[in-house]
Amino acid sequence: KNEVEQSPQNLTAQEGEFITINCSYSVGISALHWLQQHPGGGIVSLFMLSSGKKKHGRLIATINIQEKHSSLHITASHPRDSAVYICAGCGGSNYKLTFGKGTLLTVNP
Amino acid sequence: NAGVTQTPKFQVLKTGQSMTLQCAQDMNHEYMSWYRQDPGMGLRLIHYSVGAGITDQGEVPNGYNVSRSTTEDFPLRLLSAAPSQTSVYFCASSYYGNNSPLHFGNGTRLTVT
Repeated sequence: KNEVEQSPQNLTAQEGEFITINCSYSVGISALHWLQQHPGGGIVSLFMLSSGKKKHGRLIATINIQEKHSSLHITASHPRDSAVYICAGCGGSNYKLTFGKGTLLTVNP
Repeated sequence: NAGVTQTPKFQVLKTGQSMTLQCAQDMNHEYMSWYRQDPGMGLRLIHYSVGAGITDQGEVPNGYNVSRSTTEDFPLRLLSAAPSQTSVYFCASSYYGNNSPLHFGNGTRLTVT
């Protein structure tokens, strides 16, 4: 069974700090999604990656296939970054996703 | 493009009632799926489809039915609602394949009393 573990569960930061959220996954997962969910809101896809690194604005996602580990970094964090960040692993051709339980990020001004 | 449209946004049912949650996408995506989100549990896959006429079960399919008669629509049916089905439901779609981002609907908050 595919598994995805996220850490930390909760993260509080001051505005401007560099944020890292980690995601470890099991054998059988070949690609990873990073998603963002604001409180009471919908879910937005941030990145989908199966190798290397992707960058969008202040967000950077990396994945290490050998170590089965991915990280989401936020540079110069801002209160509007406060949200739940979710990683989801995708394995094989059936496209079933396995979700981590999410990291609640709070960025204080 | 409207993206992924889910209706209704909120619904209250009594135990034993049936209802259908609607999901439609206008991006010609092959893959569509339904998830439920419960506190402390994360998102869990209920059912998914990789194309019209093809559906399969996810992690928590019991109590739910789906059909995919067209590429655009993927309704989720609760045949006899139970309090354990109180949750927030999300529909998502994407092109089939590992390199495609997911597009989510805005969710349906369902309460079963």
